[in-house]
Amino acid sequence: EVQLLESGGGLVQPGGSLRLSCAASGFTFRSFDMSWVRQPPGKGLEWVSDINTRGDYRQYADSVKGRFTISRDNSENTLYLQMNSLRVDDTAIYYCARVPGGDRHDFDVWGQGTMVTVS
Amino acid sequence: DIVMTQSPNSLVLSLGERATINCRSSQSLLQSSNNKNYLAWYQQKPGQPPKLLFYWASAREFGVPDRFSGSGSGTDFTLTISSLLAEDVAVYYCQQYYSSPRTFGQGAKLEI
Repeated sequence: EVQLLESGGGLVQPGGSLRLSCAASGFTFRSFDMSWVRQPPGKGLEWVSDINTRGDYRQYADSVKGRFTISRDNSENTLYLQMNSLRVDDTAIYYCARVPGGDRHDFDVWGQGTMVTVS
Repeated sequence: DIVMTQSPNSLVLSLGERATINCRSSQSLLQSSNNKNYLAWYQQKPGQPPKLLFYWASAREFGVPDRFSGSGSGTDFTLTISSLLAEDVAVYYCQQYYSSPRTFGQGAKLEI
């Protein structure tokens, strides 16, 4: 079964840091670009960051650029999001999602999400 | 950034009725080189992550019931549910992947 499992969320004070992880299973992780998408409580979806298969090309939303860093370990089938200088408005459920590939940049597999609360 | 606007924000319908959700983009999502619209639709049920329903505006993801359909081109797109079931209660989002940053509509909440 194709699966993504996030971890690492929690309560952190403004200005603090957290590192999220996303463990992938059931598919060839190294063959897919990956993304993080977040959802503030009761609100809509916001794309946060992408990383390519080799981990040498990354993109970020303006709202997190310079504060968040996406990375991956293909040997461990794990995606990461290092979040520094956290702000109250970073409070959200953080989902990791798989990018199908080719010309597609929708998200065909999603994890259950991990909650980050900045307060 | 491409702005995605959905309408209505919410809709309340009866079982068996037809639901129509619209999505408009601030610029065309049609790539002329391949004649594809870079638009996806998702369904998010309470307490769950989003689930992909359609990509390329009208290509149904595996396992999505055929009472769901996606249509449209350019800047105007529609998600239609032909005959509502109770299990269709959810928030529906459109998303463009024509350019970065990938952006989502604000969501349309469907209630029965």
